[in-house]
Amino acid sequence: RKEVEQDPGPFNVPEGATVAFNCTYSNSASQSFFWYRQDCRKEPKLLMSVYSSGNEDGRFTAQLNRASQYISLLIRDSKLSDSATYLCVSRGNQGGKLIFGQGTELSVKP
Amino acid sequence: EAGVAQSPRYKIIEKRQSVAFWCNPISGHATLYWYQQILGQGPKLLIQFQNNGVVDDSQLPKDRFSAERLKGVDSTLKIQPAKLEDSAVYLCASSPGPLGYTFGSGTRLTVV
Repeated sequence: RKEVEQDPGPFNVPEGATVAFNCTYSNSASQSFFWYRQDCRKEPKLLMSVYSSGNEDGRFTAQLNRASQYISLLIRDSKLSDSATYLCVSRGNQGGKLIFGQGTELSVKP
Repeated sequence: EAGVAQSPRYKIIEKRQSVAFWCNPISGHATLYWYQQILGQGPKLLIQFQNNGVVDDSQLPKDRFSAERLKGVDSTLKIQPAKLEDSAVYLCASSPGPLGYTFGSGTRLTVV
């Protein structure tokens, strides 16, 4: 079993749609969680951190449920520019290495 | 602030040949990581350095991969001999501590 698992993609949605990505992690010792965005042929870039209290950044909302070891990302009013691969990421309390899920591809169509 | 520099951007080699990738982290970042990203997958850690010491190389295929970070700054990742399944993007990242992870733009390796 992979340490971080994500919904399989791709997600194809029209502009303006709301889309939700789900992710589960198996290592209960994981301390920090993130969503990264990766554009085609580019490096991953941090989109946002994820907290148990939930956090929002404009059209993006991330949520962490430690009891069920579940992470989510909600994108409201999706834009063409949101088209990318979204990577769910965990980080342990030692060493600092990031554990990536396989990524979910999002394609927003006009 | 200059980012993480990697070279070359692209490399095509035949199987059984050798190849080396170079990474220059952000100045002052003590921790350096090499990740392998195979097409359609998320990045996977190969090796982590803290200054010039290895912290984690548990997923580095040591029979063919090697890495060094002399003087705790630049790092080189080598593959010898390369296999077809080594075709991937090799990403270098650095961080000053628990936060502030920055990736380089990667080296895309194709083994034919």
